[in-house]
Amino acid sequence: GAVVSQHPSRVICKSGTSVKIECRSLDFQATTMFWYRQFPKQSLMLMATSNEGSKATYEQGVEKDKFLINHASLTLSTLTVTSAHPEDSSFYICSLDRGDSYEQYFGPGTRLTVT
Amino acid sequence: RKEVEQDPGPFNVPEGATVAFNCTYSNSASQSFFWYRQDCRKEPKLLMSVYSSGNEDGRFTAQLNRASQYISLLIRDSKLSDSATYLCVVNSGGGADGLTFGKGTHLIIQP
Repeated sequence: GAVVSQHPSRVICKSGTSVKIECRSLDFQATTMFWYRQFPKQSLMLMATSNEGSKATYEQGVEKDKFLINHASLTLSTLTVTSAHPEDSSFYICSLDRGDSYEQYFGPGTRLTVT
Repeated sequence: RKEVEQDPGPFNVPEGATVAFNCTYSNSASQSFFWYRQDCRKEPKLLMSVYSSGNEDGRFTAQLNRASQYISLLIRDSKLSDSATYLCVVNSGGGADGLTFGKGTHLIIQP
């Protein structure tokens, strides 16, 4: 399976600041990556689909100006939470699929806490 | 109506017992189905894909009933290490679509 890393694994920031989360595919060139978030005791919810070289596709209810996604290369997608607020505190996970099956490979996640 | 529904549990099961989880999905056009396992504060990991013909991997058996839009997971001879949250997951499109997750069923195996 593909190896996916995320950085940072954990971040605490103050309300109003921006936080960038990186998702890297270590052994596969991914044209498509996905960003999910998971609130406590909730299911993972797809936020957006990140496409290399083009604009991300956001799910309904996800603000594209607040959650900026940049997929500048085949191995890196970044999610920037702009002007973070406490309600943005969540577990953010990226994933990619290799295109040869429907299986997705998940990064280890980033736990964001906004104080 | 939720797209993927699961009983959240928790299921408290003695070690060695057999336990079964069910899941229903609402989108009849869904094309692929999975069970993922998620440990506390970790990312989900694929346990197994689910096929119409049913599939088995060691102590784990998954079944899909497309007519009833129903997916099941059976765990035999449960181990303490099976304690986790089991996520029913559906892909409703092609490979370039994100996954839709159920909330998960929490399983606790007791010694």
